[in-house]
Amino acid sequence: DIQMTQSPASLSASLGETVTIECRASEDIYNGLAWYQQKPGKSPQLLIYNANSLHTGVPSRFSGSGSGTQYSLKINSLQSEDVASYFCQQYYDYPWTFGGGTKLELK
Amino acid sequence: EVQLVESGGGLVQPGRSLKLSCAASGFTFSNYGMAWVRQTPTKGLEWVASISTGGGNTYYRDSVKGRFTISRDNAKNTQYLQMDSLRSEDTATYYCARHGYSSSHYFDYWGQGVMVTVSS
Repeated sequence: DIQMTQSPASLSASLGETVTIECRASEDIYNGLAWYQQKPGKSPQLLIYNANSLHTGVPSRFSGSGSGTQYSLKINSLQSEDVASYFCQQYYDYPWTFGGGTKLELK
Repeated sequence: EVQLVESGGGLVQPGRSLKLSCAASGFTFSNYGMAWVRQTPTKGLEWVASISTGGGNTYYRDSVKGRFTISRDNAKNTQYLQMDSLRSEDTATYYCARHGYSSSHYFDYWGQGVMVTVSS
């Protein structure tokens, strides 16, 4: 199985700050990567797919980048509603696997 | 508006069965692959099973193969997860999820989740 390693596991940032979350795959996943946001008590919501494509309705302050085994999610100008956990997922190969998550809090 | 509503969760003893349902609305159900994803505090998010648009192709993670069966009824806009021989490690919140356009293997919409607890 392809292992997905996210860093950091938790992150504290201030309003208006730029935040970056990293995701490393155990092998090349050829941009088959998605990012999800999950707020407490809610289900995950898709933010990014194909490593850098923004899902419908997602604010443009979210962006994804990367290639090969290294990918990142950037949040520009952090808003209070961005407090959540973020997960990456590879869908290049079965079984599709998720990263362990990054919990983002406000400083 | 895309809506996915799960039902059928609950407390069940080890070795017993449970069937989850997911009612879909707001999109042409028969055009999308569907999936079940589960989540626990310790293991995080785990993809469980997927089914193709017509139901002819199904896919499972190894740990549930032979015990879980995913199916769908396109006339009823509903997918199912039959869970047999349940184990304590199957305890989780189960989400119904829609695969992305053209059966891309990410999940573009999720239900609210249903809790399954396997315990004696």
